[in-house]
Amino acid sequence: AQRVTQPEKLLSVFKGAPVELKCNYSYSGSPELFWYVQYSRQRLQLLLRHISRESIKGFTADLNKGETSFHLKKPFAQEEDSAMYYCALRASGTYKYIFGTGTRLKVLA
Amino acid sequence: GAVVSQHPSRVICKSGTSVKIECRSLDFQATTMFWYRQFPKQSLMLMATSNEGSKATYEQGVEKDKFLINHASLTLSTLTVTSAHPEDSSFYICSATGTDNTEAFFGQGTRLTVV
Repeated sequence: AQRVTQPEKLLSVFKGAPVELKCNYSYSGSPELFWYVQYSRQRLQLLLRHISRESIKGFTADLNKGETSFHLKKPFAQEEDSAMYYCALRASGTYKYIFGTGTRLKVLA
Repeated sequence: GAVVSQHPSRVICKSGTSVKIECRSLDFQATTMFWYRQFPKQSLMLMATSNEGSKATYEQGVEKDKFLINHASLTLSTLTVTSAHPEDSSFYICSATGTDNTEAFFGQGTRLTVV
């Protein structure tokens, strides 16, 4: 079955500290992985996708097929990074997104 | 980026009535639209997928007669919650993908409260 697991509901870090939001997935084929972010009182928006291999707002995520993980990382957290982060999987050849339960990141001053 | 607009953002209705939620893609043609339901502190649960001009595909456990989805044009999909009950109270979110299907764009969500 397709599943996305985000083990942490809440992650609190101090400003300037490194951040890692964990995401593990279960899928037998070749999935596409995404990170979506929801800032306070705003809609969900795409942060990054694994196929782009890009860094957005200092965040990166590497797809590790061996560990079936797609952890989101940032070396130095900023207060404006505080938000809800969702990891999502899309099965190749389909339009459906499967979302994890989300992790709330709080960056403390 | 592309914009998806949902209306209304909040609605309160009486038990037994029906309520319609609209989802519009403002600056692109949405070949596929998705409807999600989100319970407090939980993830988005996909309810159904709709393609313009065809019947929606519902996820297992979602009552298609209760949650009517219409995708009449490439820019508009509607979700009608029929004979609403308090347990239907939730946050409903739509998203849409364009022809290239590289990214899903989300509406701002609709908070439905059934009293």
